[in-house]
Amino acid sequence: EPEVTQTPSHQVTQMGQEVILRCVPISNHLYFYWYRQILGQKVEFLVSFYNNEISEKSEIFDDQFSVERPDGSNFTLKIRSTKLEDSAMYFCASMEGETQYFGPGTRLLVL
Amino acid sequence: RKEVEQDPGPFNVPEGATVAFNCTYSNSASQSFFWYRQDCRKEPKLLMSVYSSGNEDGRFTAQLNRASQYISLLIRDSKLSDSATYLCVVNVQGDMRFGAGTRLTVKP
Repeated sequence: EPEVTQTPSHQVTQMGQEVILRCVPISNHLYFYWYRQILGQKVEFLVSFYNNEISEKSEIFDDQFSVERPDGSNFTLKIRSTKLEDSAMYFCASMEGETQYFGPGTRLLVL
Repeated sequence: RKEVEQDPGPFNVPEGATVAFNCTYSNSASQSFFWYRQDCRKEPKLLMSVYSSGNEDGRFTAQLNRASQYISLLIRDSKLSDSATYLCVVNVQGDMRFGAGTRLTVKP
């Protein structure tokens, strides 16, 4: 069964460093999403992406965040200058119909 | 008011019990509705979509009341493997809004 994959599974970084989180959505899906979940808190929408551009973004998705689809398969989330409060699980999802399929997540720890 | 609000939980029930979760949403433009389950430190996984006519999948029954902006999930004959956090999710114009989740623990 096709699935969304994410790399790395864990990343530790120093405050102020840039990180790139990678996702490979399910191949025939057209809509892609990034979410984050701070430990013990709810899943929060960050951004949605369709047709090679951002379709919606939340107030969390400020100028330090960017997304790209550099080739036909990868979908990346870049955090330019990480802060302590960026520590969270980041989930990528792709959508078919109205169903979103989530990747296993990247756990980001900012020290 | 939170966009998607769920029972705070946690729910601790014995095996075989019936348990019901409630969820309310505030945005009347919400288009579609889902229950996801999330195991500890794992990704959310779709449990079932929720329709106005109600839908059932084995031991799980979901109901939607658009007039009251209310969604429910009923689990019958609960199993140990049902222990997880149950997330109420609402699609608002293409974006998925998550409730904070209700934690269920099923005990032997």
